[in-house]
Amino acid sequence: DAKTTQPNSMESNEEEPVHLPCNHSTISGTDYIHWYRQLPSQGPEYVIHGLTSNVNNRMASLAIAEDRKSSTLILHRATLRDAAVYYCILLPIKAAGNKLTFGGGTRVLVKP
Amino acid sequence: DTAVSQTPKYLVTQMGNDKSIKCEQNLGHDTMYWYKQDSKKFLKIMFSYNNKELIINETVPNRFSPKSPDKAHLNLHINSLELGDSAVYFCASSQLDGDYGYTFGSGTRLTVV
Repeated sequence: DAKTTQPNSMESNEEEPVHLPCNHSTISGTDYIHWYRQLPSQGPEYVIHGLTSNVNNRMASLAIAEDRKSSTLILHRATLRDAAVYYCILLPIKAAGNKLTFGGGTRVLVKP
Repeated sequence: DTAVSQTPKYLVTQMGNDKSIKCEQNLGHDTMYWYKQDSKKFLKIMFSYNNKELIINETVPNRFSPKSPDKAHLNLHINSLELGDSAVYFCASSQLDGDYGYTFGSGTRLTVV
């Protein structure tokens, strides 16, 4: 499984943007880049995913480097509710053994 | 409507007992998973079923036996519970395709005393 590297933690002020980096230098051409988050005492929650182009949804934006070796999850205006552990995970297009493999993630602290 | 529902939410039991956790998804997904999150908060996959067929079986003690009666249900039965089985167990579902997100249940907190 191709691995990802994320900072252990990041801090942000409420209502400011948060940029969460993820390095995945061994990504293959058939790997999707997925982001999930886990709020305290809850199950992981899907945030966004992409393959090559940048992606936007109601929760966040995903900026993917041209060589696909890194990506950045962007929370446009952090709220206290965005305090969570954020996971960047690679997932193949289609494989019998497809599975999300969670690393340590980035713990995001949002200060009021 | 809850997309992935697990029952029970909490389970406290004694060592040596046998218990089951149930999971149901109403998303029409073809693949379901069980994950375990221990006290150190690491999430590890245990099993995966695609259309009722076991496709992932990580290194998990034989005391853990998943069962999928249909593609909307994946249950987890645990025999002879041990203290080390205490954890939060999450069920998830998805399509077997990297272009789909996973949906997780809210978890079952198992405490073995």
